[in-house]
Amino acid sequence: DADVTQTPRNRITKTGKRIMLECSQTKGHDRMYWYRQDPGLGLQLIYYSFDVKDINKGEISDGYSVSRQAQAKFSLSLESAIPNQTALYFCATSDSRGESYNEQFFGPGTRLTVL
Amino acid sequence: KNEVEQSPQNLTAQEGEFITINCSYSVGISALHWLQQHPGGGIVSLFMLSSGKKKHGRLIATINIQEKHSSLHITASHPRDSAVYICAVRISNQFYFGTGTSLTIIP
Repeated sequence: DADVTQTPRNRITKTGKRIMLECSQTKGHDRMYWYRQDPGLGLQLIYYSFDVKDINKGEISDGYSVSRQAQAKFSLSLESAIPNQTALYFCATSDSRGESYNEQFFGPGTRLTVL
Repeated sequence: KNEVEQSPQNLTAQEGEFITINCSYSVGISALHWLQQHPGGGIVSLFMLSSGKKKHGRLIATINIQEKHSSLHITASHPRDSAVYICAVRISNQFYFGTGTSLTIIP
C-alpha cells in the first residue's frame, strides 16, 4: 500500500465550485506539504504544516486554504475554483527527525481541471 | 526569481551511455534533493544531500557547496531511466524546485 495517498486522483470541475483535495499518510511524518505543478514550471509550494497546530503559507497560497485534521491528514481547498488553478497537485511529507531528515516523499498527484 | 537552474532541459542518449544532469543554485542552502518524476506523474525521492557524494545502484549524486552546484550521474543508462529528473534546494523551511531535466534513453 502507498505511504502517501491522495484523493481524488482526477477531478474535472467548473469555475466557481468549491473543491477539496485530500492527503493521507501512514509514514508517521510530522511535516506535510501541498504543491502544484504546471507545465514548464517547477513545483510550487502552496501551504505547509510542521505539525497539527502549525500552518504556513507558501509561495502561491492565494485562492487556496488548508486544514490539518490530524498528523496523518492534510487537505487542500479551493473555495471558488478558477481555470488558472488547473494543474497537477502533489501532497508530500517529511520527517523532522531521524536519518531521512526532511527528505520529501510524494503522493501520486491529483490532476485538477477547472472549466 | 528562480533559485534553481537545471541543465540540460532535455537530454536524449543511447542505452549504456553515462549521463550527467546539472543543478546550480544562487543562495546558501541547507540541503539539496534529487527527485525522479515518472511519465505517469509520480515523484520518487532519489537523494538528499548536504555535502559530498552519495551512490545508489547506478545513480551517483555529488554536491559542491562552495560552487553552489550539484550533479546527478547515471552509469550504464537504460530505457527505464527515461524520466524527468528534478533538483530541489532547501532554503530555511521551504524547498525550491528546478523545472526538471527530461531524459530519454533510446534502446
